[in-house]
Amino acid sequence: AQTVTQSQPEMSVQEAETVTLSCTYDTSESDYYLFWYKQPPSRQMILVIRQEAYKQQNATENRFSVNFQKAAKSFSLKISDSQLGDAAMYFCAYRSAPQTGANNLFFGTGTRLTVIP
Amino acid sequence: NAGVTQTPKFRILKIGQSMTLQCTQDMNHNYMYWYRQDPGMGLKLIYYSVGAGITDKGEVPNGYNVSRSTTEDFPLRLELAAPSQTSVYFCASSYPPKSGASNQPQHFGDGTRLSIL
Repeated sequence: AQTVTQSQPEMSVQEAETVTLSCTYDTSESDYYLFWYKQPPSRQMILVIRQEAYKQQNATENRFSVNFQKAAKSFSLKISDSQLGDAAMYFCAYRSAPQTGANNLFFGTGTRLTVIP
Repeated sequence: NAGVTQTPKFRILKIGQSMTLQCTQDMNHNYMYWYRQDPGMGLKLIYYSVGAGITDKGEVPNGYNVSRSTTEDFPLRLELAAPSQTSVYFCASSYPPKSGASNQPQHFGDGTRLSIL
């Protein structure tokens, strides 16, 4: 199974500032997908952003962007202009390219983000 | 849009009791998944299904059973509840992954918090 590592259990950021959450993964596959999910206290799992490994361009979604370094197997999430509503647990996840079987997500252990007013 | 609906939201069981966690989706997704999330950890796959009548084990299937008689429903059964099964359970669904296409994300339910005492 692929492994996903989030080395920052907790992070904090001042409101309106920028924060970067780290994620590394281990795989021997060349084609795969990476995701960042947000889990607020309500426990919902909300997709924040996704990246296809075959795309060199980093994905962006409004204030959220990624720095995808395929050779380094790194997939960090940058949140710009942080807002109080960004406070949540953030999970990095890996999914293999389509194949027979589960095609499930492999999750990291999460980073708890606190936004300071 | 209902999306993925899980019931119940909370449940307390005694050791040795059995129960079924319900999951239904109205998006006509072929793929459905059950994950568990232990405190401080990411989600781990229990069982999955690629279509009605087809199920298979994930990473942590012991102590659980599933069935998939319809496209919409994917219940998870605990036969003999054990304290180690205290966790938050998430059901998810997606379209089949498509090679070369924008990856189909998994849609999650709101989770079921289960405590075994």
